[in-house]
Amino acid sequence: EAGVAQSPRYKIIEKRQSVAFWCNPISGHATLYWYQQILGQGPKLLIQFQNNGVVDDSQLPKDRFSAERLKGVDSTLKIQPAKLEDSAVYLCASSLNGGGGGDTQYFGPGTRLTVL
Amino acid sequence: GQNIDQPTEMTATEGAIVQINCTYQTSGFNGLFWYQQHAGEAPTFLSYNVLDGLEEKGRFSSFLSRSKGYSYLLLKELQMKDSASYLCAVRAIYGNNRLAFGKGNQVVVIP
Repeated sequence: EAGVAQSPRYKIIEKRQSVAFWCNPISGHATLYWYQQILGQGPKLLIQFQNNGVVDDSQLPKDRFSAERLKGVDSTLKIQPAKLEDSAVYLCASSLNGGGGGDTQYFGPGTRLTVL
Repeated sequence: GQNIDQPTEMTATEGAIVQINCTYQTSGFNGLFWYQQHAGEAPTFLSYNVLDGLEEKGRFSSFLSRSKGYSYLLLKELQMKDSASYLCAVRAIYGNNRLAFGKGNQVVVIP
């Protein structure tokens, strides 16, 4: 079974530029998550989709970050404009149904963003 | 909100046993997960606890005490490949069942 796919794996940009990341979840997984992981920290949820609807975006800095999952499968996360503090690894994860309990999240390899 | 506390780093010898602790404070507890993360790689799922007690999976075991807000991950017969960061994540009903991760505990296995 194919895992969560992400691209690109690495990205270097200048501050104030824009950047986009792509994620394709595990086939059949209804729920998709975007996390930000700053060096030395645990992942922090940015946004959660259930199919093509947003379930939780309370921790997404909406002035500069946006995400979509138009057809309920793959998703893109955009930062515009980027700031130095956005340097981090952006992880995408998916799970079967996004419910509570033991619904397990499976992570992609991440995109390492460096903002200069 | 949720507060999750993990020690930052420990070193252990190949073949030994290591215990990684996690304490948490949350309302509406709905499960605790342990993930392993090798440097530069994605977190991979290790275990899930929602009831008190010990869950054993091969060389790895995870324990939960909900009344104490405490969990540990036990790694037995340590191997070099176990050198990684171990992340504790708590799910709470309040807050859309989102997972809140600790900072992770870096385990270094030496020969």
